[in-house]
Amino acid sequence: GENVEQHPSTLSVQEGDSAVIKCTYSDSASNYFPWYKQELGKRPQLIIDIRSNVGEKKDQRIAVTLNKTAKHFSLHITETQPEDSAVYFCAAPEGQAGTALIFGKGTTLSVSS
Amino acid sequence: DSGVTQTPKHLITATGQRVTLRCSPRSGDLSVYWYQQSLDQGLQFLIHYYNGEERAKGNILERFSAQQFPDLHSELNLSSLELGDSALYFCASSEGRVGSKPYEQYFGPGTRLTVT
Repeated sequence: GENVEQHPSTLSVQEGDSAVIKCTYSDSASNYFPWYKQELGKRPQLIIDIRSNVGEKKDQRIAVTLNKTAKHFSLHITETQPEDSAVYFCAAPEGQAGTALIFGKGTTLSVSS
Repeated sequence: DSGVTQTPKHLITATGQRVTLRCSPRSGDLSVYWYQQSLDQGLQFLIHYYNGEERAKGNILERFSAQQFPDLHSELNLSSLELGDSALYFCASSEGRVGSKPYEQYFGPGTRLTVT
């Protein structure tokens, strides 16, 4: 089955700096890679996703890049703000379309002002 | 607000007991997924239902079961509860329709289960 590794587990940056979180996956057939943001005590919230037919996708201050050859994808947050502080999870699908998401262990991002 | 609702928000019960968690998907979504989130295990997939039928199972214990009803809401039943079952239980929903984006999953607010 799919296996997703996520690094780093914690990340501290100063406000205005960039943050990068990296994930690797094992199943070369995987073709969809979402990122979720989870604030303390709240639900995981889908913030951006990428499909395997593109190498990069951007939405304002966040972007995701995908390298299918190396089987890794990354989340980039620019001009970080204190409200970006949260746990970020990457994921990849397990098996057929519409089935489970396999999540990385999460990265706790702390943005200090 | 994702449009996915879950009840109850909090549940405190004793070991050996049985509880039922409820989830209503977003309007129009046919798929419901259940996930367990504990501190040491992260987000773990439990089970997936599509339009009333079980589609996939993950690391779901035999003491746990689920179903999806004709109105598409789903229930997760946890029995013979143990201390280690204490966790946040999330459901998520997606369209699951042919030709739609197959994987976008939207999470509900979760049910925090505490087993004492």
